[in-house]
Amino acid sequence: QVQVQESGGDVVQPGRSLTVSCSASRFPFRNYAMHWVRQAPGKGLQWVASILSDGSNEDFADSVKGRFTISRDNSKDTLFLQMNDLRVEDTAVYYCARGSFAGATEALDVWGQGTKVTVSS
Amino acid sequence: DIQMTQSPSSLSASVGDTVTITCRASQGIGFYLAWYQQKPGKPPRLLIYASSYLKSGVPSRFSGSGAGTDFTLTISSLQPEDVATYYCQKYAAAPYTFGQGTKLEIK
Repeated sequence: QVQVQESGGDVVQPGRSLTVSCSASRFPFRNYAMHWVRQAPGKGLQWVASILSDGSNEDFADSVKGRFTISRDNSKDTLFLQMNDLRVEDTAVYYCARGSFAGATEALDVWGQGTKVTVSS
Repeated sequence: DIQMTQSPSSLSASVGDTVTITCRASQGIGFYLAWYQQKPGKPPRLLIYASSYLKSGVPSRFSGSGAGTDFTLTISSLQPEDVATYYCQKYAAAPYTFGQGTKLEIK
């Protein structure tokens, strides 16, 4: 069935970098906006970043702006989140989620199982 | 930025009860409001989009309403499997802010 699957979570030291990935299957990835959402331990959901279907526009939460980069490879049905200058407060499960189809405005309807990122010295 | 405020933050109800969760936006967001259910250790699941449209496969005891700044999620005839945390989210434009969540328990 339609799915997305994250990978690449790890334990990293503060100030270091990490890239997590999301592989999509069984839907036309190139036609959908994609999002990253995170959840710190015991906390609620926090939207992190999004990218349009063709990669032409990206948006970021203020808490990660300037440190995180979102990108995609539509030839490989893969979404990326590059995280630089990581902080302890970036510790969370990072979810990949499918957003809007083409030019529509749609909710996040397909979610992965998440990948865990721990920032600790 | 538009803030999303849910209430209550937690509630306890009995099987068969009807429960209501509210979500308020600090500015009008039209109908671009979604509700998600998250069970422990699981990813969120989309329940309702565009304020009141039920996603395919979601039980009809879930319903949503509202527009502008005030929205409601209603669960009729509460079932044990409805124990979860529920989140609202605005999705018309970035930032795609979530509410802080409402934890639902069974008495």
